[in-house]
Amino acid sequence: GEDVEQSLFLSVREGDSSVINCTYTDSSSTYLYWYKQEPGAGLQLLTYIFSNMDMKQDQRLTVLLNKKDKHLSLRIADTQTGDSAIYFCAESKGTGANNLFFGTGTRLTVIP
Amino acid sequence: EAGVVQSPRYKIIEKKQPVAFWCNPISGHNTLYWYLQNLGQGPELLIRYENEEAVDDSQLPKDRFSAERLKGVDSTLKIQPAELGDSAVYLCASSKGTSGVYNEQFFGPGTRLTVL
Repeated sequence: GEDVEQSLFLSVREGDSSVINCTYTDSSSTYLYWYKQEPGAGLQLLTYIFSNMDMKQDQRLTVLLNKKDKHLSLRIADTQTGDSAIYFCAESKGTGANNLFFGTGTRLTVIP
Repeated sequence: EAGVVQSPRYKIIEKKQPVAFWCNPISGHNTLYWYLQNLGQGPELLIRYENEEAVDDSQLPKDRFSAERLKGVDSTLKIQPAELGDSAVYLCASSKGTSGVYNEQFFGPGTRLTVL
């Protein structure tokens, strides 16, 4: 079955880089995702990576995927106070409409 | 373009009462999802619709939960009767759902249910 794990909390100083880690167990995962959830809001897709890739960069965000170790990370460069939120790692299999399996979320706190 | 709309945003009821949540997906999105998010946890899928058809309801507790999407557009999720443990956020999401290509799921803001 699917099991996605994340550390619960991360605190960084404004301007530093944040690295949020995730491990998953299902080797048949096709896509892996990072979602952001701000208080009282729904989930916002930040970025995703296809399982045959090992890195994806999008402005301040860098996703690294180690498929052998089933480890996914999200690096946020120059972290800002507006980045304070809960970040969820998720996985799915296949293309088309597919169910997402989420981790427990990592609460990122950015200290001014 | 409007996002996924959910109502109500908050609901407080007493245990054993019924409750219903409504979701209007993004126009043109054929696939609709209901997720349950317990406090401090990630969302978990309850049911997925493709048009009017519930194609995955394996995680829906059918003794008290029901859902419908009669015209393949908006959807209602119902709990009857509600229990204390049902207190959570109920999220709705939608995607275009075309098979064979990547489909992003767009989430609504959720309905926060408190059962007293």
